[in-house]
This record gives sequence, C-alpha cells and structure tokens, in this order.
Amino acid sequence: DAGVTQSPTHLIKTRGQQVTLRCSPKSGHDTVSWYQQALGQGPQFIFQYYEEEERQRGNFPDRFSGHQFPNYSSELNVNALWLGDSALYLCASSFEGASGYTFGSGTRLTVV
Amino acid sequence: QQQVKQSPQSLIVQKGGISIINCAYENTAFDYFPWYQQFPGKGPALLIAIRPDVSEKKEGRFTISFNKSAKQFSLHIMDSQPGDSATYFCAASLNSGGSNYKLTFGKGTLLTVNP
Repeated sequence: DAGVTQSPTHLIKTRGQQVTLRCSPKSGHDTVSWYQQALGQGPQFIFQYYEEEERQRGNFPDRFSGHQFPNYSSELNVNALWLGDSALYLCASSFEGASGYTFGSGTRLTVV
Repeated sequence: QQQVKQSPQSLIVQKGGISIINCAYENTAFDYFPWYQQFPGKGPALLIAIRPDVSEKKEGRFTISFNKSAKQFSLHIMDSQPGDSATYFCAASLNSGGSNYKLTFGKGTLLTVNP
C-alpha cells in the first residue's frame, strides 16, 4: 500500500520564479494538508484541502496557493519565490472523520 | 507567537538509558497532543498521541505523561536504542485530532543514542 507520494524530491529555483509541488495522498485518504519545514524547525501549517476546496489556512501570504483534484491529489504553488521560501515542503493526507496524518517524505526546495 | 515550546533542543543518551523530552503549550483549547519522529530525508511519522482526559499513555518503550494544570506534556523513551536516534517533535491541535485539524509543532529535539 503506497503511502503519501510527493514530487519532485528536490528542486532548485531562482528568486522571483514560480514553483509547483505535487502530492498523491495515501490510498483511501481524502484530505490533504501542506506544511513548510525550515531547516532546524518544526513543520508549519500552510493550508488544507478537502472536497477540492481550501478548508483552513495558516499564516502564509497569498503567494502560496493550492489545488485539490477529484482524485484527491493536490498541488502547492508558490509565486514570486523568496530566498526565505527555501525549505522542506511536506504533504500530509488523512481521512475525513478519522484522526492521524500520514506525511510524505517532502520536496526540498532551494531558492537561489 | 510560539504556541508549543519544546526542550531540550538536543539530547545525547547512552544505549539503555531513558530519554525525556518536554513540551509546554499555551492554548488551553488544544485537546490532542501527538509526538512525531523524523529521520533525515523522511517526513514525520506519528509515534504516540494523547488526549487530555488521561494523564499517561504507554506504547511499548514510549510513554507520554500529560499535566493539564501545568499545560505540559513529555515523551519518555525507555531503554533507548541507537535506532531511536532521530528528531522528535511534539505537537498540539484542536478538534480532538479530527482530520480537519491543523497541527502546531514544537521546534524539535535531536536525539542521539550512543552505543
């Protein structure tokens, strides 16, 4: 049973560029959350998608946007990249009504 | 505002010893307190979780102790093994940990267990 799959695993972008990260949830999961983990820090909640809509949002600017598709997979888009956006981006899936997340291994984004 | 404070930042323990990591929270509405384990290059994995209606939960070598009045909770790893070397995060959330919750994480503790 595949867990949460994220792609790509590593990415290098230049300041000002845009990036799209992808996530396939664990089989049977319908809710996808995205977290940003800076080096040496705990993950910080970006937003959560359920039924193709953003349900909750953390303290992140509008440059961060997302999408959920009918098959529950999700994308995270970041526009106008800053150096400070360099981090590990984690996708976590869960099943509505149940507790517990399953995290993917993340996408390491480096902005130069 | 850091809602979940974790200590120590790093911890070195000898094999067979007890590892203790502490967390304190500010929001009294939090009602779900999980601990996650993260190995390099991997995402966090749920280790054990507790709700505030109990003061202690044990799963194998891992125990959570919870003090609601002090707004503190801790992770105890008994008989620590080199394979336990990882970064540990405490977290807290609302809504009893239901799937629409967001997790607020501590900054993590890097545990090293020496053989």
